[in-house]
Amino acid sequence: NAGVTQTPKFQVLKTGQSMTLQCAQDMNHNSMYWYRQDPGMGLRLIYYSASEGTTDKGEVPNGYNVSRLNKREFSLRLESAAPSQTSVYFCASRVTQDQPQHFGDGTRLSIL
Amino acid sequence: EDQVTQSPEALRLQEGESSSLNCSYTVSGLRGLFWYRQDPGKGPEFLFTLYSAGEEKEKERLKATLTKKESFLHITAPKPEDSATYLCAVTQGGSEKLVFGKGMKLTVNP
Repeated sequence: NAGVTQTPKFQVLKTGQSMTLQCAQDMNHNSMYWYRQDPGMGLRLIYYSASEGTTDKGEVPNGYNVSRLNKREFSLRLESAAPSQTSVYFCASRVTQDQPQHFGDGTRLSIL
Repeated sequence: EDQVTQSPEALRLQEGESSSLNCSYTVSGLRGLFWYRQDPGKGPEFLFTLYSAGEEKEKERLKATLTKKESFLHITAPKPEDSATYLCAVTQGGSEKLVFGKGMKLTVNP
């Protein structure tokens, strides 16, 4: 009954370091999404993958890359972390466009 | 530009004091409106989907309604465990994207 699993849960980086946030879903969903959540800004879409093998930019893609590894897994990479990327990152998935997205519990990322 | 506005930004209620949260949206070709609940340190948890004006959904003390321009989340006789941030989001027909409002923090005091 895992749903959407994100790793790690917490991470502290130095400016310029790189890292990959991992996301896996076990619900056989077609679409997967990466969001960031900042105080006063709400949830903003970074990248999404409508199906295995495709990825598209969302509202705030600069500084990020993604990989849809297979139907279950969708990773988010920060190549050169900046303090402005300090945020809580959420992964979500859903079956089709008119169905709700289901979210993981987030990765809390601090960049010093 | 598609926009979702939630009001009020924060609301404090006494236990048992009913109220409503508002979500207004501007999107052409609404495919669905979604309500989520988010607890501190957790991801958003799905509550309801509404697809067309006039539709209503209920779950325990919560009832969601939809018109052509807005949705309301009615909370009847709330309890302290209803304290959370409530998020509203919309999706447009043909789009993969879900546009979220900024959320409304509800505090229910015993």
